[in-house]
Amino acid sequence: DTAVSQTPKYLVTQMGNDKSIKCEQNLGHDTMYWYKQDSKKFLKIMFSYNNKELIINETVPNRFSPKSPDKAHLNLHINSLELGDSAVYFCASSQVRQGGNIQYFGAGTRLSVL
Amino acid sequence: SQQGEEDPQALSIQEGENATMNCSYKTSINNLQWYRQNSGRGLVHLILIRSNEREKHSGRLRVTLDTSKKSSSLLITASRAADTASYFCATYSSEYGNKLVFGAGTILRVKS
Repeated sequence: DTAVSQTPKYLVTQMGNDKSIKCEQNLGHDTMYWYKQDSKKFLKIMFSYNNKELIINETVPNRFSPKSPDKAHLNLHINSLELGDSAVYFCASSQVRQGGNIQYFGAGTRLSVL
Repeated sequence: SQQGEEDPQALSIQEGENATMNCSYKTSINNLQWYRQNSGRGLVHLILIRSNEREKHSGRLRVTLDTSKKSSSLLITASRAADTASYFCATYSSEYGNKLVFGAGTILRVKS
């Protein structure tokens, strides 16, 4: 069973469109994250939710809106997509109080904005 | 700002050789972690070393931590072609809001 699964794996879309990426974890973790990995492989955190509450909100355009319907799911909606949004987006989860915040990653969603 | 920096940026070795990657960071930390990313895949946790530890082993992996120099190294012994991947260090610090901050990574290529 996949521990952290995100869909879709690939997303190709036109500038100006709105798209969503979904993430689910079956590890029973209380915290979930969204990361963006750019073309140079630099990984930067975007958001983090703990038990459905937003706890980390980095300097991200407000076109990006995370939503956590329950602690096992964290979705990312992106409005008015721009060329610079092209990247790989990773979802991750952890149980922060145990194990020093070891994170488990999904396989990534490769977003290409044309 | 980016916490960790790694060197080298890329490393190419022959199968059977050892590979050493280094990571430096800027502030006090709770722990430092190493992750591996195979091409087109997500990151996988390898090993965690706490701020009060100096060395840790896991199979063919050996991690050292020098908090006075704010640096860590990852040694992979007797490398295999399957070790070809990108390796990232990540620091966990209450100063950074309890989040992991990743370095830029080292691309390791093991030639068979």
